[in-house]
Amino acid sequence: QVQLVESGGGVVQPGRSLRLSCAASGFIFSYYSMHWVRQAPGKGLEWVAVTSNDGTNKHYADSVKGRLTVSRDNSKNTLYLQMNSLRGDDTAVYYCARDSWVATTLGYMDVWGKGTTVIVSS
Amino acid sequence: AIQLTQSPSSLSASVGDRVTITCRASQGITSALAWYQQKPGKAPNLLIYDASSLQSGVPSRFSGSGSGTDFTLTISSLQPEDFATYFCQHFDSYPFTFGPGTKVDIK
Repeated sequence: QVQLVESGGGVVQPGRSLRLSCAASGFIFSYYSMHWVRQAPGKGLEWVAVTSNDGTNKHYADSVKGRLTVSRDNSKNTLYLQMNSLRGDDTAVYYCARDSWVATTLGYMDVWGKGTTVIVSS
Repeated sequence: AIQLTQSPSSLSASVGDRVTITCRASQGITSALAWYQQKPGKAPNLLIYDASSLQSGVPSRFSGSGSGTDFTLTISSLQPEDFATYFCQHFDSYPFTFGPGTKVDIK
């Protein structure tokens, strides 16, 4: 079945780095753009980043530009989020999500993982 | 960045009620709007895309309408499994953004 499984979350000190992974299965990963979306405790959803199916085009939320970097390895069916210079307001559940169409980024997400939790605290 | 507002922020309703949630964009986004449902501790679930298209597998009691800056999500007859938080999201231009959410709970 179509599935996304995030990993790599944990507790990290402010200013440190962390890399999240999202393993995809059940569909042809290389056909789809992929997103990261986060949700701070008790708050709403925040779109973080998107990468095109081939990884050549990437876009970010203003709040993470320059600190968080999305990438993918289509040979491993895996999406990544490299998180540098972490701050307290990066504390959230991070979801990876599949864009809804092949070969182009439509912008809405039809398959979501269960999320991985990042806590930035000293 | 385009801002989305939702109203109300929360509402109480009974099973069988008709429920309408509004999403307003800070500038025109044609029909580039999606709606998601999220239950506590779970990932969001896509309900509506392109403002009014029903995602496969979503019950027909959910419907969406609107274009430009004003959009609505309607649940024609609220069911017990519909008590959740609903978010709108635009995909007109980068960066994409979500609305703040509307929590629907039991009266």
